[in-house]
Amino acid sequence: QTAVTQEPSFSVSPGGTVTLTCGLSSGSVSTNYFPSWYQQTRGQAPRTLIYTTNSRSSGVPDRFSGSILGNKAALTITGAQADDESDYYCVLYMGSYWVFGGGTKLTVL
Amino acid sequence: QVQLQESGPGLVKPSGTLSLTCAVSGGSISSDNWWSWVRQPPGKGLEWIGEMYHTGSTNYNPSLKSRVTISLDKSKSQFSLNLMSVTAADTAVYFCARRSWVLLYFDYWGHGTLVTVSS
Repeated sequence: QTAVTQEPSFSVSPGGTVTLTCGLSSGSVSTNYFPSWYQQTRGQAPRTLIYTTNSRSSGVPDRFSGSILGNKAALTITGAQADDESDYYCVLYMGSYWVFGGGTKLTVL
Repeated sequence: QVQLQESGPGLVKPSGTLSLTCAVSGGSISSDNWWSWVRQPPGKGLEWIGEMYHTGSTNYNPSLKSRVTISLDKSKSQFSLNLMSVTAADTAVYFCARRSWVLLYFDYWGHGTLVTVSS
């Protein structure tokens, strides 16, 4: 089974910009994988941020954006805030099943 | 506003069957959506388990397929997860979620319920 790869951890300064990526252990991510992104704060359910590559879920601030960068899906946070410190997961559609990435722990400091 | 609520035993014995139910409110379980289960072992990432459409169609994680059954009860507006032959590795928080059929993403989530596999 193809694995979905994410950076284990990332750090950003308050007000800074950070790009998290979502790749495949074999091959390139395209829009055909319908990448979506979820934010999870410790002990809570995931919150949907981005779907179908670059559409923001209702109520998500526009400082969160999604794209394809090279051969990976990407989540960019522009103007990071303290409460953006969370775990971020991407998930890809493999045709008949879904595979989550291992998640990226984002620290804002 | 769609709401999902998981329920079921918090402790299951090794080699037993884990059974959970997700109650759906605020929307129809017969809508154009798939009803999914996702789990998260303590301190680890999310893992998709499987999903069901109201017509009875199912998709399962290939690595769990031999042990998983998802069913749906329209009359009770709920869907269920059965995971057989559990081990300690199945200890996790189990989330139910709605997956949009058209837009292919998980748009609503339950709060999750912790299931521990232990004797």
